[in-house]
Amino acid sequence: KNEVEQSPQNLTAQEGEFITINCSYSVGISALHWLQQHPGGGIVSLFMLSSGKKKHGRLIATINIQEKHSSLHITASHPRDSAVYICAASPIYNFNKFYFGSGTKLNVKP
Amino acid sequence: GAGVSQSPSNKVTEKGKDVELRCDPISGHTALYWYRQRLGQGLEFLIYFQGNSAPDKSGLPSDRFSAERTGESVSTLTIQRTQQEDSAVYLCASSLYGTGEINYGYTFGSGTRLTVV
Repeated sequence: KNEVEQSPQNLTAQEGEFITINCSYSVGISALHWLQQHPGGGIVSLFMLSSGKKKHGRLIATINIQEKHSSLHITASHPRDSAVYICAASPIYNFNKFYFGSGTKLNVKP
Repeated sequence: GAGVSQSPSNKVTEKGKDVELRCDPISGHTALYWYRQRLGQGLEFLIYFQGNSAPDKSGLPSDRFSAERTGESVSTLTIQRTQQEDSAVYLCASSLYGTGEINYGYTFGSGTRLTVV
């Protein structure tokens, strides 16, 4: 059983659509990270959450600690948002050792 | 430099040979991480360095893997007697204070693609 589960595995959307990617985790966490991996392999850290909600441009990340669930939302999606989005959990007992989800491959069509 | 630099970007080696991968973190970043990503799979944590503290080696898959970092500078990941299952992209990341907050510049390098033939 994976400590971090993501859904969906693959997602195709039309430009402009509102997108939601879900992440559920089973470990007690100190923080939940969302990462973006571009087709060339480069990875960018998008958010680190321990509670509530964060917004950065068209990206919004939320977390519900009681339900052990986080969502990443993309508003007004654009083809340049096409990437793999990875959820990663930092367990309470080791803040810097992440459990990674398998990723959600997003393809936004023009 | 402005980002995390890894070298080489690609490495093809014969089974049984040793390889050394290098990571130059962002200047001033005290925390440095190594991850591995096998083809079609998720990221795996390998090792974490924080300043002069003892590294967290709990993710290293076998004793053929080792990593060093001197102070807050360059790190090298060494794989001895490489096996085909070691083929993967090896990613390095650094951050300030080890918190990973985006405002603290948690940044990944572009990775080293290792192919063991």
